[in-house]
Amino acid sequence: EVQLLESGGGLVRPGGSLRLSCAASGFTFSSYAMAWVRQAPGKGLEWVSSISGTGDTTYYGDSVRGRFTISRDNSKTTMFLQMNSLRADDTAVYYCAKESSYSGVGGDFDYWGQGTLVAVSS
Amino acid sequence: DIQMTQSPSSLSVSVGDSVTITCRASQSIKSFLNWYQQKPGKAPKLLIYGASTLQTGVPSRFSGSGSGTEFTLTISSLQPEDFATYYCQQSHRALKTFGQGTKVEFK
Repeated sequence: EVQLLESGGGLVRPGGSLRLSCAASGFTFSSYAMAWVRQAPGKGLEWVSSISGTGDTTYYGDSVRGRFTISRDNSKTTMFLQMNSLRADDTAVYYCAKESSYSGVGGDFDYWGQGTLVAVSS
Repeated sequence: DIQMTQSPSSLSVSVGDSVTITCRASQSIKSFLNWYQQKPGKAPKLLIYGASTLQTGVPSRFSGSGSGTEFTLTISSLQPEDFATYYCQQSHRALKTFGQGTKVEFK
């Protein structure tokens, strides 16, 4: 059974940093791209970032490029999202998602974690 | 970036009704279009991928069609558990985008 478990969310001040983790199990982790998708309170889904199976290719949405860094440790079947220079509009539930492709292009998000809340406020 | 536009943004329906949701892409995405269902407080769930392929375990009352820039999700004979918000999402480009969502509410 595929399981994705996010952690690391919490309350942070504007300008601060936070690191999210996503622990994966139940599938061959290194064979699939992984992604972060967020949802602000009462709003729709926004793709944040994706990383290929080996971790050598990364993609970012315009709103986070230059501030967030996605990475993965295939030996620990864990993905990370380092979030710097956080702003109030980064407040959202952050979901970890498994992609059905290896590269991060052309697939879908076939499994999701339960989400972790990041709140940016002074 | 490719923009995805869903319509309508919400609709009020009754159990047993047929529902059609439209998703339009700002440029051709071939068949790289996926549909998700989300219930309040829950993670999204993949319903349809590749525009028309039903994910394993999804009831056959759900169907998808389209290619290029126009796509539809149809729910035939809506069931009580189908009241939710539905999102389309393109994966033709590495920079993925979602539609704004369609909330299916009880009339």
